[in-house]
Amino acid sequence: DAGITQSPRHKVTETGTPVTLRCHQTENHRYMYWYRQDPGHGLRLIHYSYGVKDTDKGEVSDGYSVSRSKTEDFLLTLESATSSQTSVYFCAISESEAQETQYFGPGTRLLVL
Amino acid sequence: SQKIEQNSEALNIQEGKTATLTCNYTNYSPAYLQWYRQDPGRGPVFLLLIRENEKEKRKERLKVTFDTTLKQSLFHITASQPADSATYLCALGRSNYQLIWGAGTKLIIKP
Repeated sequence: DAGITQSPRHKVTETGTPVTLRCHQTENHRYMYWYRQDPGHGLRLIHYSYGVKDTDKGEVSDGYSVSRSKTEDFLLTLESATSSQTSVYFCAISESEAQETQYFGPGTRLLVL
Repeated sequence: SQKIEQNSEALNIQEGKTATLTCNYTNYSPAYLQWYRQDPGRGPVFLLLIRENEKEKRKERLKVTFDTTLKQSLFHITASQPADSATYLCALGRSNYQLIWGAGTKLIIKP
């Protein structure tokens, strides 16, 4: 998985609790992305980062926040988890601003009860 | 609205035959198109990228075509093998760097 790790790989949580997912890369790529993948849907971009402390919203950012304090780490926080946020979350990295050739992490499976 | 369609039904192909997957789009003018492979429980893996001014791209047993008039990309795997069984995703990128993903087509290669 191109030097990308995600933690945790699986998590079960309760509605209303905050959850933080971590993405760590060893490739020194500038661009990092958080997606969610749900059955019947394409990957949907939640937030992305174009550098340390530089982040922007994606298509489905409501209820999520991100932080990037180091090149290698990109954190996704669900501020107050809801059942609709049950999903598989993928982190991706890219050298290209145009999102070409993205490398994905192994994913985090999140269940919100 | 912008829309990408990939066949939601699984595609069953006999080993050794050519598998052809389709990615159709509407209301969209992509600058490029990418194909990824995804195995169960894993993240997508990049396969090929084709730009709007390219008609065809090849990589080993893989071939991608891009017809901006038909608004369609075809992804071919020749001499298919059971190990090619996976879900294949297409993603369209625009010049403003917006990337939109299809839901994927599951390919099953039968021995």
